Amino acid sequence: DAKTTQPNSMESNEEEPVHLPCNHSTISGTDYIHWYRQLPSQGPEYVIHGLTSNVNNRMASLAIAEDRKSSTLILHRATLRDAAVYYCILRDVSGGGSNYKLTFGKGTLLTVNP
Amino acid sequence: NAGVTQTPKFRILKIGQSMTLQCAQDMNHNYMYWYRQDPGMGLKLIYYSVGAGITDKGEVPNGYNVSRSTTEYFPLRLELAAPSQTSVYFCASVPGGGQPNQPQHFGDGTRLSIL
Repeated sequence: DAKTTQPNSMESNEEEPVHLPCNHSTISGTDYIHWYRQLPSQGPEYVIHGLTSNVNNRMASLAIAEDRKSSTLILHRATLRDAAVYYCILRDVSGGGSNYKLTFGKGTLLTVNP
Repeated sequence: NAGVTQTPKFRILKIGQSMTLQCAQDMNHNYMYWYRQDPGMGLKLIYYSVGAGITDKGEVPNGYNVSRSTTEYFPLRLELAAPSQTSVYFCASVPGGGQPNQPQHFGDGTRLSIL
């Protein structure tokens, strides 16, 4: 799986937007960009994914650079409940069942200040 | 729906003991996974299964065994517990067999300490 690079940690204030960056300079054409987050003492949960176009859902937005070598997860108004480790993961979907696997890095620890 | 249920939530083992970590899902998902997470690190894949009777090794399978006799259950077995297996273990599932970007659903983990 292609590698991603994320900052170790970031801080934000409550009710302000948060932009979490991810670099993936070796991304291939069949790699989708997935984001998961892990709240304290819980298992990871899916946030969003995309291929080329920007994506929005009820949790967040995903902005993907035109060359696809980087992406940004956007939380529009951070809440205390958004404090978590955020993982940016590339998934190659060109193969069969084994490509449902996820390869986790260390992620970005987001701290939200009240 | 309960989703993915893991038991026990916590366990302390002595070196050399054995135990089975239980994982059950009620979503009729075909694909199931076991990960471990060491402090400050991301998750690493131990074993996975693409259906009943089919299992395969992940990145760190040594010291573990799995079985998948039904769609619902995917237990992880530690035969001879070692301190290096102290970790948090997560089970996950995916519907499988179709759209490749289906999100994985995770349990809340089993925290295992081996002393």
